[in-house]
Amino acid sequence: QKEVEQDPGPLSVPEGAIVSLNCTYSNSAFQYFMWYRQYSRKGPELLMYTYSSGNKEDGRFTAQVDKSSKYISLFIRDSQPSDSATYLCAMVLAQGGSEKLVFGKGTKLTVNP
Amino acid sequence: ETGVTQTPRHLVMGMTNKKSLKCEQHLGHNAMYWYKQSAKKPLELMFVYSLEERVENNSVPSRFSPECPNSSHLFLHLHTLQPEDSALYLCASSQDITGVVGEQFFGPGTRLTVL
Repeated sequence: QKEVEQDPGPLSVPEGAIVSLNCTYSNSAFQYFMWYRQYSRKGPELLMYTYSSGNKEDGRFTAQVDKSSKYISLFIRDSQPSDSATYLCAMVLAQGGSEKLVFGKGTKLTVNP
Repeated sequence: ETGVTQTPRHLVMGMTNKKSLKCEQHLGHNAMYWYKQSAKKPLELMFVYSLEERVENNSVPSRFSPECPNSSHLFLHLHTLQPEDSALYLCASSQDITGVVGEQFFGPGTRLTVL
């Protein structure tokens, strides 16, 4: 079983739709949960992070963590064409005095005007 | 230049060539990383440097050789690569290797094609 599972898509939605992106994980030692966004021909950039179960909102984006189910989600409200990108979930594991990021495969999202 | 820069952006090389990828960070960070990003696969951590000292090497073949001469620069020396090494190679940096909720700042990557 892979440590982090993420459906690579692709996912195509119309402008204004609510988008739901998800990851599951197997290692209960993960401490922080993050979402990175990667535009075409760019490196990933941190979008949101959270460390506890529950919801965290930032504008049109909501990150949700359910530690009991080992499941995280990213919701995008009122999606825009500029949200078209690959979204990678990442989880932070502290081990041996350092923190390690474990990534999902990424989900490619296209928002159509 | 700001953030993390990488050169070259694209590289095509034969299996017998030797080339190097360069990364520079302008953020004053102490930690730097090399990742490999292949289609349909998660980002794979290759090497981690903290204050110019290698702290992690994730079973990467010896045909990849990293070098960190100072905390702002990181190189990846390539020799006798295989076609399956074709991928996007990403450099990242963070303030330290611990205690910053894992935020890493990525460069745009070098798209490597091995013929």
